[in-house]
Amino acid sequence: ELKVEQNPLFLSMQEGKNYTIYCNYSTTSDRLYWYRQDPGKSLESLFVLLSNGAVKQEGRLMASLDTKARLSTLHITAAVHDLSATYFCAVDTSGTYKYIFGTGTRLKVLA
Amino acid sequence: GAGVSQSPSNKVTEKGKDVELRCDPISGHTALYWYRQSLGQGLEFLIYFQGNSAPDKSGLPSDRFSAERTGGSVSTLTIQRTQQEDSAVYLCASSFSGGGGGWETQYFGPGTRLLVL
Repeated sequence: ELKVEQNPLFLSMQEGKNYTIYCNYSTTSDRLYWYRQDPGKSLESLFVLLSNGAVKQEGRLMASLDTKARLSTLHITAAVHDLSATYFCAVDTSGTYKYIFGTGTRLKVLA
Repeated sequence: GAGVSQSPSNKVTEKGKDVELRCDPISGHTALYWYRQSLGQGLEFLIYFQGNSAPDKSGLPSDRFSAERTGGSVSTLTIQRTQQEDSAVYLCASSFSGGGGGWETQYFGPGTRLLVL
């Protein structure tokens, strides 16, 4: 059974600081997705990582994928308050369409 | 263009009643997914539709849950004899194809917040 674990589950950080969120998964997959969810809102796609070594960056967020380690990271650089949200990673098993989501990391950036 | 829409946005019902939740996917998207998100939790896959193929119902938690998709577009998720543990946000998503490699991004609707009293 595919399991996806994120850590930390909660993260409170000061503006201007850097931090990394980790997403570990338990079985082979070459595709990993990061989503953002604001309170009371739906999920917004951030990154799609399709191969080993993939790295994507958007603003202060950078995501990477290591399929051999079954690990993805979401790195936050010089955090700002607007990044406060819950971040989910999701994995689909090769050849299928089912996303298995991590439990989410609730990020709060303090001004 | 318009995104995925869901209705109602909120639903309060009494235990034992039936509810219907509606999802309108993005035009042209052939794949449609339903998920459930309980308070403070991640997303739980419920069911998947691809075009006119038989749906994958493997994620439905009990036989009280059913879903249909008419004309390859609009989908309805029905929960019969609702229980308090059914209270959650029900999210619908669609993607362009969803078949084969399944790597296409899923676009999510705003969700229906269901509260069973």
